[in-house]
Amino acid sequence: GQNIDQPTEMTATEGAIVQINCTYQTSGFNGLFWYQQHAGEAPTFLSYNVLDGLEEKGRFSSFLSRSKGYSYLLLKELQMKDSASYLCAVRGGGYQKVTFGTGTKLQVIP
Amino acid sequence: GAGVSQSPSNKVTEKGKDVELRCDPISGHTALYWYRQSLGQGLEFLIYFQGNSAPDKSGLPSDRFSAERTGGSVSTLTIQRTQQEDSAVYLCASRLGGNRQTEAFFGQGTRLTVV
Repeated sequence: GQNIDQPTEMTATEGAIVQINCTYQTSGFNGLFWYQQHAGEAPTFLSYNVLDGLEEKGRFSSFLSRSKGYSYLLLKELQMKDSASYLCAVRGGGYQKVTFGTGTKLQVIP
Repeated sequence: GAGVSQSPSNKVTEKGKDVELRCDPISGHTALYWYRQSLGQGLEFLIYFQGNSAPDKSGLPSDRFSAERTGGSVSTLTIQRTQQEDSAVYLCASRLGGNRQTEAFFGQGTRLTVV
C-alpha cells in the first residue's frame, strides 16, 4: 500500500516563508502532487514533481527526493489568503492511483 | 463540460435509506476517482476507474458502497442502507489518465448528511 505523512498543523507569520514536509512510501512511484484546499472548498492543484529537484512557480516551490521518499512545499511571502490545508498526494502502487495524505492545516497570522 | 460536475451538492437522508451520488468528469478524462472527506480530515480514497480496466475498489469501506462508471464517462457512487458515520463530503476527481503526468481536477463535492 501507500503511506503518506505530513504535519497536522502549522502556523506562520504574514510575509514569512514556510516549508511543509511530506514523507511517503509507495511502490511504483510515478509522481507527487501538492494541492491547496480552503475550508469548505474542493482541493486545487498547486504543483507536480516526478524527478528529483525543485520546481518553482511564483511564490510556491516544491521539492522532491525520490531516494528519500521526501517532498516539501515552500511558500514565500506568505499572505493571509494562504491560510488553508495543503495536501500531499502520491501516484503509485499497482493501479497507479493517486493517494492523499491527511493534509497540513496552515494558519497565517498577522 | 468545463469542469468536474457533481450532483447533488447537498443531500440529507434518513438512516437506512439508499443514496446515489453522481459525477460528470471532464470530457476526455479517462481516470476518475472518488474520495471521502470527513469534517477537518484528509481525503480518504474510495475507488479509482481507469479507462476500461477493472476499477480499484480497495478503498470502499464496506459492501454497502458501490460505484460504476457507464460508457467511460459519468460515474455513480451508491451507498446502501446509509449509516450516520457515512456523513461526509464525497469528492470526485478526474485526470487525463494513462501514463500522462497530469493532475486531478476536483468537483465541488456532495455533502451527505445522514440523520
